[in-house]
Order: sequence, then C-alpha cells, then structure tokens
Amino acid sequence: DTAVSQTPKYLVTQMGNDKSIKCEQNLGHDTMYWYKQDSKKFLKIMFSYNNKELIINETVPNRFSPKSPDKAHLNLHINSLELGDSAVYFCASSQDWGGSPLHFGNGTRLTVT
Amino acid sequence: QKEVEQNSGPLSVPEGAIASLNCTYSDRGSQSFFWYRQYSGKSPELIMSIYSNGDKEDGRFTAQLNKASQYVSLLIRDSQPSDSATYLCAVNEVTSYDKVIFGPGTSLSVIP
Repeated sequence: DTAVSQTPKYLVTQMGNDKSIKCEQNLGHDTMYWYKQDSKKFLKIMFSYNNKELIINETVPNRFSPKSPDKAHLNLHINSLELGDSAVYFCASSQDWGGSPLHFGNGTRLTVT
Repeated sequence: QKEVEQNSGPLSVPEGAIASLNCTYSDRGSQSFFWYRQYSGKSPELIMSIYSNGDKEDGRFTAQLNKASQYVSLLIRDSQPSDSATYLCAVNEVTSYDKVIFGPGTSLSVIP
C-alpha cells in the first residue's frame, strides 16, 4: 500500500564507490523528484521528471545521474561517492507539474565513510 | 534561485496554546503554497496547501496567505505534544519551471 517507496532505507559505503537508490510510486502521478536533505535539515531539489522527461536538473555534480524507465519509477545513481554526499535523499511524486503537493518516500540515509 | 524564509526556532509553546509559524517568499508569481510537517528521522508529510489569499482551515490547523505581502502562515490551535516537529513551508517557484522549493523549517516544541 506504500504510495512512494524507495530502497534502500540506509546506505553506508566508502568514498569512491558507486551506488544506486531506487524509487517507485503507485499513485499514478506524472511527476517524480529527488530531493536532498543535508545535516542542517535543508531540503533541496535535485531533479524532476515529468512523464519520463527530465524537467529540472539543478546544479548537481554530474556524478549524480537520474533515470526514469517509466513514469512510476525514478532511480538515482551516484558515481565516485564523496564525503559531502552524505545526506538523506528523498524521492517524491506529484499529480502533475506546476506546484502540486508532493508525496514523499521514507528517505534513504546515505553515509559515505 | 528565489528564497523561502522561516524562523528557525525552536519555537516553544505550552500544551493547549496556539502555535504560530510564519514564512515569507520572494517569488511574486508564486501560486501554490504548502505546509509540511517532519518528525525527526521521518519524511515530510503534507499538512495544508493553500492557493488563494485568505484563510483555510482544516481541523486544528489554519493556513493564512497574503500574496501582496508575500507571506504565508500556519496556526495550530490547541497545540499537543504530538505536534512537536519541524514545519516546512514550501512554495512553487514560477520563474523556474514551477519547482517547489522549501524553507529551512521551524522547529516546534509543545511543552506538556
């Protein structure tokens, strides 16, 4: 019944590794997002897809690459992980584009050592 | 990028009191405004959305919007200890693909 689900919940890895986070929504929404919440709890948008099309690509290192195989899935792959990548990454979805309410997944806490 | 500002708090209120949370935003074209609640270690959950000037009430929560002054507020009546959380104000940034941007959040503590 989970509306927006992301895996894994926790991810601990070493610098230089490559990792992926998966997200799926069963709400039938057209738009999906990745947000990053840093240690100061500030929530910042990274990417957004609308019907599998990339709409927003914020100033994010190109080590981060989103992929949307279909409108219900949005994955995030991170290459060459750095200490500063440690944060909580939230996937979210919304009914459509243009300021609709966001529904968040439970988050993935990434720790890079 | 346009900004959304909130008092970081912490804001402490006694149980049963009214908690007042404020938010200002810089994008004059913004049309969608949201309040999210985030408990420690959890994901943000939507409490209220408001799109028109004035007040919108939902149970103990009232959102107030004043587009001319570019502020939106959230009132929580009869505050309960379970309301203790961080409250995030979010606004759509019209000048940049209508993306939703968040304020830094206000930490609320309701004292029994």
